[in-house]
Amino acid sequence: GQQLNQSPQSMFIQEGEDVSMNCTSSSIFNTWLWYKQEPGEGPVLLIALYKAGELTSNGRLTAQFGITRKDSFLNISASIPSDVGIYFCAGHGNQFYFGTGTSLTVIP
Amino acid sequence: SAVISQKPSRDICQRGTSLTIQCQVDSQVTMMFWYRQQPGQSLTLIATANQGSEATYESGFVIDKFPISRPNLTFSTLTVSNMSPEDSSIYLCSVGLSGANVLTFGAGSRLTVL
Repeated sequence: GQQLNQSPQSMFIQEGEDVSMNCTSSSIFNTWLWYKQEPGEGPVLLIALYKAGELTSNGRLTAQFGITRKDSFLNISASIPSDVGIYFCAGHGNQFYFGTGTSLTVIP
Repeated sequence: SAVISQKPSRDICQRGTSLTIQCQVDSQVTMMFWYRQQPGQSLTLIATANQGSEATYESGFVIDKFPISRPNLTFSTLTVSNMSPEDSSIYLCSVGLSGANVLTFGAGSRLTVL
């Protein structure tokens, strides 16, 4: 099935730094989702976006639904060690498609 | 949101054997899915578990290898049959809540096939 292009593939950052990752698709979506997965766990929903251009925040996390409906980004401000994990984007049209994941490591 | 319980959480299996994974949801849900996540990879949809009828499989997945049951709106099972080391993966149960285009996932079942 289709996979979304997600970048970067991995990030190693210092605690306190801001993080930005994005996802692009060749198809348009009606919904963009961002998930975080920690070792031994399933993906947990962070933010859901339902409208082109929508900008939504959840604490230190901010995500936007691209105006073309083919892309989305997730920003994390002032990173902390517990932000470590793999972040997945997902788009929903007729079914759900997942990004390839961004592995985030935060160095204290 | 729904709470999903999956078991086993992990298992080590011998080549050629089969294992059944159970998924229990704390509320009735219409849409239930099974995903596979191979080591270091993203999520791949195996099939949609349909209540009262045969599951709908994605390309590359077949019923003989991954039989699925969905006897009611809160429970489903996925069997991984005749396992080989290539089946070593995390298998995730997921539900879609009606009216909301989001998926909620269980904690996953990590299978290692020797």
